[in-house]
Amino acid sequence: DIVMTQSPDSLAVSLGERATINCKSSQSVLNRSNNKNYLGWYQQKPGQPPKLLIYWASTRESGVPDRFSGSGSGTDFTLTISSLQAEDVAVYYCQQYYSTPLTFGQGTKLEIK
Amino acid sequence: QVHLQESGPGLVKPSETLSLTCNVSGDSISGFYWSWIRQPPGKGLEWIGHVYYSGSTTYNPSLKSRVTISVDTSKNQFSLKLTSVTAADTAVYYCARSEQWLSWFDSWGQGTLVSVSS
Repeated sequence: DIVMTQSPDSLAVSLGERATINCKSSQSVLNRSNNKNYLGWYQQKPGQPPKLLIYWASTRESGVPDRFSGSGSGTDFTLTISSLQAEDVAVYYCQQYYSTPLTFGQGTKLEIK
Repeated sequence: QVHLQESGPGLVKPSETLSLTCNVSGDSISGFYWSWIRQPPGKGLEWIGHVYYSGSTTYNPSLKSRVTISVDTSKNQFSLKLTSVTAADTAVYYCARSEQWLSWFDSWGQGTLVSVSS
């Protein structure tokens, strides 16, 4: 299984400031045949299901605000929120879909400082 | 816009079988992969497995011996059976959709809490 490890486990950021969440995979999720990283990011608010934010490591899902961006390749990835808004308080998960079983990171809880 | 809705008992006794159904509306079940994902209270997400509309399945090896996922295209729904449950199977169970065998999940149900207790 590919193990996904996120850091930090929790993060407090001031409104309007940048938030950065890291995700590391135990093996590369880059498919060299198509040069795509099989990595997605989700946002989960209390009492709600996860919501897809990013796929292919850096492609924003339709309707997701452009303050959310994804970067990285191979085994190291980052989700960045450029200017934190109150509604961004949530738990964020990365997910690899390079191989089964599909696996998620343990989650990063983002709060307002 | 596709809508997924889980249904089934909220309480299951230890050693019995957990059975859930996900009803898909707003789009055909054909052409997609349909997953079950669970989340123990206060914890992270675990992929259980998925079924293609054709009926082919892939399971998480950690649960494979106890899991069956099936699809009923005539009813536009798919189902989960998990046998020999224990308290460790207590979780919110989500159904979700993917476009490919190896893919992200673009639509999710609201989730249903299943508790395992006598």
